[in-house]
This record gives sequence, structure tokens and C-alpha cells, in this order.
Amino acid sequence: GAVVSQHPSWVICKSGTSVKIECRSLDFQATTMFWYRQFPKQSLMLMATSNEGSKATYEQGVEKDKFLINHASLTLSTLTVTSAHPEDSSFYICSAHPGPEGGTQYFGPGTRLLVL
Amino acid sequence: RKEVEQDPGPFNVPEGATVAFNCTYSNSASQSFFWYRQDCRKEPKLLMSVYSSGNEDGRFTAQLNRASQYISLLIRDSKLSDSATYLCVVNSGGYQKVTFGTGTKLQVIP
Repeated sequence: GAVVSQHPSWVICKSGTSVKIECRSLDFQATTMFWYRQFPKQSLMLMATSNEGSKATYEQGVEKDKFLINHASLTLSTLTVTSAHPEDSSFYICSAHPGPEGGTQYFGPGTRLLVL
Repeated sequence: RKEVEQDPGPFNVPEGATVAFNCTYSNSASQSFFWYRQDCRKEPKLLMSVYSSGNEDGRFTAQLNRASQYISLLIRDSKLSDSATYLCVVNSGGYQKVTFGTGTKLQVIP
């Protein structure tokens, strides 16, 4: 299957820090990337849909000014958690979709964020 | 009504048992369906797509019932390694509109 990487895999930071997470599709071009968040023992929650070269579409309740998404190329999307607070601590997972002919999305390994 | 609904479980079954999960979806225009598996503290991984005619991959069988708007996953001869959360995924309105179920937790017991 297709390979998606995420970096970093772990982040521990102080409250007020901004954290940047990268999501890369390694062996295919991703027209669309998705960003999810998963709290312990809860299901995946879609945060936003990111299309290359255009603004991300955020789900209801997700602050676009707090979670900045950039999808500058067909293989890279970034999520920046600005001024992170302890309640932002979570498991952030990206996925990449090859496009209409590509079947389904493939997930990155996730990034665990702990804000102290 | 949620777009995609699953029984959260947990389903506790002995090794060797057969277990089945259902997933219902509300959008009749949904076009494609998938089962993912998520292990604890890991990302979801594609288990199998679900085709209209039903499909099988080893011990796993997926079926789609468009009339009743549900998909199912059957696992035969359960292994300890099958213990995980199984997520139902539905594409509606194009490949960008993807909805995940909350997942069904399976625990296979020795």
C-alpha cells in the first residue's frame, strides 16, 4: 500500500508554544490530505480537509486560526498548532488521498502531542 | 442520526470463534466503503474495501447491503492478533467526503 509519513512522532512542549507537524506522501501524489485528532478512548475526529494549493476546509468547532494548515505541494501538508495549551494534547493523525481514481486514504503513523 | 454508526462493543470472543460486525450509514448516495483496523495507540490501517458483490480476503469477509444501508465484516477462526478496533469508513459525495464510524472493539481471548 501507499506510504505516508508524519514528523515528529512525539512532541512534548510548554504551554504557549507553537508546534508544527508534517505529513508527507512518500510514493504517491496526494491531491487531498486530511487531519484528524483522536483523544484517548475516543474515535477519530476529522479536523480539516486540505487540498493542494488552496485553503483548508475546517470542520465545525475547529478554530482555523489555532490550527493552521498548509498544503503547499502534492506530497506535503503541515499542521501548526499555535499557542498550544494542555487541552490540545492529543494524537494527531494525517491521511493522504491520491485523488478520484486512487481508492481510499492512507494514514500517517500519527503524532502524539503533550502540552505541559 | 449519525452518518455512520457502529456498535462500540467490546466484543469478547474466544480464539477460533467467528465474529461479525455491522455498520449502518445514513446517506443512500454513499459510493464506496472500507473497513480499517486500528490497534491501540496506532494509526488506522486499511483492512479491506467492500464491494457490492461482497468480497473475501482470507478469514475476512466484507458485505454490502445497499437496500438496508449497512456493511458487515465477518472474521472467521479469530486469532489473538485480531484484537483491535475495527472502523467502518464511508465515502459520500466524492472521494473527499469521508466519514468514519466510531469503531467496534474486538478482544479475542485465549
